[in-house]
Amino acid sequence: DTAVSQTPKYLVTQMGNDKSIKCEQNLGHDTMYWYKQDSKKFLKIMFSYNNKELIINETVPNRFSPKSPDKAHLNLHINSLELGDSAVYFCASSHLEWGTGELFFGEGSRLTVL
Amino acid sequence: SQQGEEDPQALSIQEGENATMNCSYKTSINNLQWYRQNSGRGLVHLILIRSNEREKHSGRLRVTLDTSKKSSSLLITASRAADTASYFCATVSTGGGNKLTFGTGTQLKVEL
Repeated sequence: DTAVSQTPKYLVTQMGNDKSIKCEQNLGHDTMYWYKQDSKKFLKIMFSYNNKELIINETVPNRFSPKSPDKAHLNLHINSLELGDSAVYFCASSHLEWGTGELFFGEGSRLTVL
Repeated sequence: SQQGEEDPQALSIQEGENATMNCSYKTSINNLQWYRQNSGRGLVHLILIRSNEREKHSGRLRVTLDTSKKSSSLLITASRAADTASYFCATVSTGGGNKLTFGTGTQLKVEL
């Protein structure tokens, strides 16, 4: 059973297109995240939702729009893709009530913008 | 700005040797965590140490935390080829909610 699953694993698209990445967790966690990892492996948080409510929104272009239909799902939609959006996007989840902050990560979605 | 800086950026050792990675951070923290990332995979949580703890062990892992120096170290003893991966420290800042900020990572290569 995959705890945090993301789809698709690979995504190759042209500049200007719109794409979505989906994430689901079956751990019963109340909080989900999107992180971006660049080519130098630098990981930066983008968004976090707690029980479907946005709680972290870092300085991210408004072309990126997260959506959480329920606390087990957090999707990321990207409009008008640019070359600089090429990266690996990781979804993660945790349980804020437990207070530990330990994150469980998905396997990543590698986005390549041509 | 990046919260954690790790040192060294890359480390290559022989199987059986110990590997030590260091992490420095900038703000007061609630806890510090270490994660491992195998090539092409997601991050896996290894160990968490709270701000009031100084040392923690888990199997072959030993983590220390010095809040006065804002630094932590991860020691992997008796390394194995399967330990080859990137290792990241991450911190939860005081008053930072559950925002986990990652360091720059250390790439560890364990050779047979």
